[in-house]
Amino acid sequence: SQQGEEDPQALSIQEGENATMNCSYKTSINNLQWYRQNSGRGLVHLILIRSNEREKHSGRLRVTLDTSKKSSSLLITASRAADTASYFCATNSNSGYALNFGKGTSLLVTP
Amino acid sequence: SQTIHQWPATLVQPVGSPLSLECTVEGTSNPNLYWYRQAAGRGLQLLFYSVGIGQISSEVPQNLSASRPQDRQFILSSKKLLLSDSGFYLCAWSARDRPYNEQFFGPGTRLTVL
Repeated sequence: SQQGEEDPQALSIQEGENATMNCSYKTSINNLQWYRQNSGRGLVHLILIRSNEREKHSGRLRVTLDTSKKSSSLLITASRAADTASYFCATNSNSGYALNFGKGTSLLVTP
Repeated sequence: SQTIHQWPATLVQPVGSPLSLECTVEGTSNPNLYWYRQAAGRGLQLLFYSVGIGQISSEVPQNLSASRPQDRQFILSSKKLLLSDSGFYLCAWSARDRPYNEQFFGPGTRLTVL
């Protein structure tokens, strides 16, 4: 079943602006991951944040996790046209190997 | 380095025909393997996962089956395709000794059932 829900479903910004995407989930997790998917391609892992972490950075990416609110956010700073893609959050529970994906946020960055 | 292959890249099949999609992983041993389906505009639905040769776990009841005849080979099959089987099928792997870490995805197979 799909646990994560991304918000917004679609986001359109201009190059140089920051993009923020949110993810909410329902049950307890071991970790939360963000993936990127270019149109018609496979998913690429971006960043993983564990349940005992609150914030994590990787290059222009910043992820936060609030386990009390069961939510996470992904911030892409100084966006580029090449950041145009769909972004998915996925949660990994303590009971198995399966990742539960949300429906994704479609990001469009215009030059 | 590890790579994951899927074929075919695209497939158009009539309703009622059989299906065989193949996924192979290179550069790693004893991976956990996964099959996902992505319907248009939706997230990924886990169909099957495998922690070893011949070990298959099914997440949802459906018209599909999976097999793992070799350590790094994962096959998705159907005896008779339905229209609802159309979608984008993704294979993924994760390291056996790091089950809670990231998954690595193949390029996917676009299946259209007519």
